[in-house]
Amino acid sequence: QAVVTQEPSVTVSPGGTVTLTCGSNTGAVTSGLWPYWFQQKPGQAPRTLIYDTSDKHSWTPARFSGSLLGGKAALTLSGAQPEDEAEYYCLLSYSGIWVFGGGTKLTVL
Amino acid sequence: QVQLVQSGAEMKKPGASVKVSCKASGYTFTAFYMHWVRQAPGQGLEWMGRINLNNGATNYAQEFQGRVTMTRDTSISTAFMELSSLTFDDTAVYYCARGGAGAKGYWGQGTLVTVSS
Repeated sequence: QAVVTQEPSVTVSPGGTVTLTCGSNTGAVTSGLWPYWFQQKPGQAPRTLIYDTSDKHSWTPARFSGSLLGGKAALTLSGAQPEDEAEYYCLLSYSGIWVFGGGTKLTVL
Repeated sequence: QVQLVQSGAEMKKPGASVKVSCKASGYTFTAFYMHWVRQAPGQGLEWMGRINLNNGATNYAQEFQGRVTMTRDTSISTAFMELSSLTFDDTAVYYCARGGAGAKGYWGQGTLVTVSS
């Protein structure tokens, strides 16, 4: 059973840059695990920000980007805004079996 | 545009079953999988399983084996998730989400299932 790990909490200053990571206990995260990143605010459904490692939806703010970094999937936020404060989840797909990370609580302070 | 619209909130008693629907539009229904994910209050996202909308083949997470059934009706572009033998711990928001190559992460709006005596 794969386990996907994320930082439990991260704080960024308004206007700052932060990188959230998503690791796998099975080894390096590659594009073949089709990494996804979701943003979830209280009382709302998760919203897909990034799919397939680095692809964005039309609604994804340009300040968010996805990549592979040091054997992990990474979500970078450049120029944090107060409205970016939320929970962020990554998802890895192991031959179609989805495994979510535990989520990262991002505080903009 | 791609839309996944789920059925409304449900309240069930312990031991009962619940069936949630997810109606898809804006794309070829059978070209993708449908995954089901749940989120208990204050908790993270938990994958329940998936169904191949073309042939109906399913994969279920081990923790739900024997208790979950995923089906689809291609004539109405709708996927279903039925969970039986409900306990208080099954109180959660249940989501459907498109999966497979090129799925792009479209999700339904969620269905709150409350298990209460």
